[in-house]
Amino acid sequence: EVQLLEAGGGLVQPGGSLRLSCAASGLIFHNYAMSWVRQAPGKGLDWVSTISGSGGSTYYAESVKGRFTISRDNSRNTLFLQMNSLRAEDTAVYYCAKDQVLGHYGLDVWGQGTTVTVSS
Amino acid sequence: QAGLTQPPSVSKGLRQTATLTCTGNSNNVGYQGAAWLQQHQGRPPKLLSYRNNNRPSGISERFSASRSGNTASLTITGLQPEDEADYYCSAWDNSLSARVFGGGTKLTVL
Repeated sequence: EVQLLEAGGGLVQPGGSLRLSCAASGLIFHNYAMSWVRQAPGKGLDWVSTISGSGGSTYYAESVKGRFTISRDNSRNTLFLQMNSLRAEDTAVYYCAKDQVLGHYGLDVWGQGTTVTVSS
Repeated sequence: QAGLTQPPSVSKGLRQTATLTCTGNSNNVGYQGAAWLQQHQGRPPKLLSYRNNNRPSGISERFSASRSGNTASLTITGLQPEDEADYYCSAWDNSLSARVFGGGTKLTVL
């Protein structure tokens, strides 16, 4: 069974930084693109970023471009999201999810999410 | 990024049929169809279908999807109380090189 477990969320002041991680198990990790999707309180799903299986291609939502960096360590089956210059509007539950195929289909496995709160 | 368009809410009676819609454009839904996700309150989303009408293993046949042009649809037959949830459509946008989501439809089973 494929499992994803996020960690690293917490309370951070505006302008601060946070690094999220997502540990994957039950799959050949480097075979799959991975994504981060967030959900603000009471709001819908909001795509943040996607990275290819090799890590060589990355994609970002305009709202986070230049502030967030997605990366992965295939030797440790772990996905990361480095978040800098955080704003109040970045407050959300952040989910990592497995892409079925990069640029196609859907996100077929989701973690439980980790909560990021940006507030002074 | 421009998202996909879904009606905010749909209400149907027990054992009835609900059809949810999702409208995009030729770069996303119209290009390779949509995926549908179900999310219960406080839970992560769950994939129901992808590329129009392919269901992951374990998903009930009561859920079926289709596409006509730039609009995707999810039909849920024989509505049950546990079907009450938020439903999201999603697609990869080839023009934006980005994944786009719909705003979600809250399905109420009366």
